Amino acid sequence: AQRVTQPEKLLSVFKGAPVELKCNYSYSGSPELFWYVQYSRQRLQLLLRHISRESIKGFTADLNKGETSFHLKKPFAQEEDSAMYYCALSAETSGSRLTFGEGTQLTVNP
Amino acid sequence: KAGVTQTPRYLIKTRGQQVTLSCSPISGHRSVSWYQQTPGQGLQFLFEYFSETQRNKGNFPGRFSGRQFSNSRSEMNVSTLELGDSALYLCASSLGRGYSGGSYEQYFGPGTRLTVT
Repeated sequence: AQRVTQPEKLLSVFKGAPVELKCNYSYSGSPELFWYVQYSRQRLQLLLRHISRESIKGFTADLNKGETSFHLKKPFAQEEDSAMYYCALSAETSGSRLTFGEGTQLTVNP
Repeated sequence: KAGVTQTPRYLIKTRGQQVTLSCSPISGHRSVSWYQQTPGQGLQFLFEYFSETQRNKGNFPGRFSGRQFSNSRSEMNVSTLELGDSALYLCASSLGRGYSGGSYEQYFGPGTRLTVT
């Protein structure tokens, strides 16, 4: 079975500071990892996925298979980054099923 | 193109009743997944349908069921409602799983807020 853990429920930083949202997973196969974001009163939406290796809105995430981690990073946080962030895993044998972490509420203070 | 729509958006039911929620996926998407979101348990997978067949099921009791129609629209039903079923129910649609085994992006609907009293 797969599991995703986000150790921080709440994270608060100041504008312009670096931010790192942690995500650890357990899965014996080859997972796909994602970060989803939910802004206030908006739908859950995909932020980025490890296979695309893109930088979206200044965020990056690297899959570290040795440490089974997929931490989300941004060098300079902006107030508009304040949102709920979910790390999610898809297993190759599970169709479109996503296993989500508990989420981290990021607040960027002015 | 139009996004995923869910109806109704809000629902209040009494314990013991049953409820049906509806999800219309993005045109061309054949996979529909359902999730339950609560403050205590977070986002929990309920089930996934692909081309009218249930492909995956989460760890929920048999009171939770679903189906998918030939136009890919999906419904989920909860019978004999309990207070603990109060939650936001999210539906997500996608093209499914790609040829290489990777998954396509999932698009989420706004959710149906179910309150059981």
